[in-house]
Amino acid sequence: NAGVTQTPKFQVLKTGQSMTLQCAQDMNHEYMSWYRQDPGMGLRLIHYSVGAGITDQGEVPNGYNVSRSTTEDFPLRLLSAAPSQTSVYFCASSYALESPLHFGNGTRLTVT
Amino acid sequence: GENVEQHPSTLSVQEGDSAVIKCTYSDSASNYFPWYKQELGKGPQLIIDIRSNVGEKKDQRIAVTLNKTAKHFSLHITETQPEDSAVYFCAASMSGGFKTIFGAGTRLFVKA
Repeated sequence: NAGVTQTPKFQVLKTGQSMTLQCAQDMNHEYMSWYRQDPGMGLRLIHYSVGAGITDQGEVPNGYNVSRSTTEDFPLRLLSAAPSQTSVYFCASSYALESPLHFGNGTRLTVT
Repeated sequence: GENVEQHPSTLSVQEGDSAVIKCTYSDSASNYFPWYKQELGKGPQLIIDIRSNVGEKKDQRIAVTLNKTAKHFSLHITETQPEDSAVYFCAASMSGGFKTIFGAGTRLFVKA
């Protein structure tokens, strides 16, 4: 049981490049979400999903796209990377509303 | 929307002393309040949570208190140990909602 797996662990992009951050969970959780963590700002919600085919925006959705075609996977896409997207990105899942989040170990992204 | 403020941002204690971290939230509809511990290079992990129908909850050396009238909740760690050194986050989410909003975090140092 791997829990929540994020790939890659590290990534460097140039401004304007695109990429997809991968997230997979093997706990059969319906709820998945993406957060970014910046110094002094805690974790801010980017997008979330309450089940396959259903996604919604969080606090800071601009510049990011998501889709949820299966229960297990919830990829985060950066269409045109900007230096302001330099951050550590965490994917999380939970089995129900108002239940604990299970986090992956993060992807550290640098945009130059 | 919900806003969560967390204090202090940094806390340094001597081994064996107690540590207290305080959070306030803005939305009176919030009713689930988890606390997460984040160690270096890892994702946050749940250490304790409390729901709005409970005023206090304890798990060994960790306790959380909730004052719904004042809209604040606190984490208490007693008999601190060096392995308690980490970043701690409080969070709040609303009944029926999936958006979990985090505080900015507290970096706790426990000096041996």
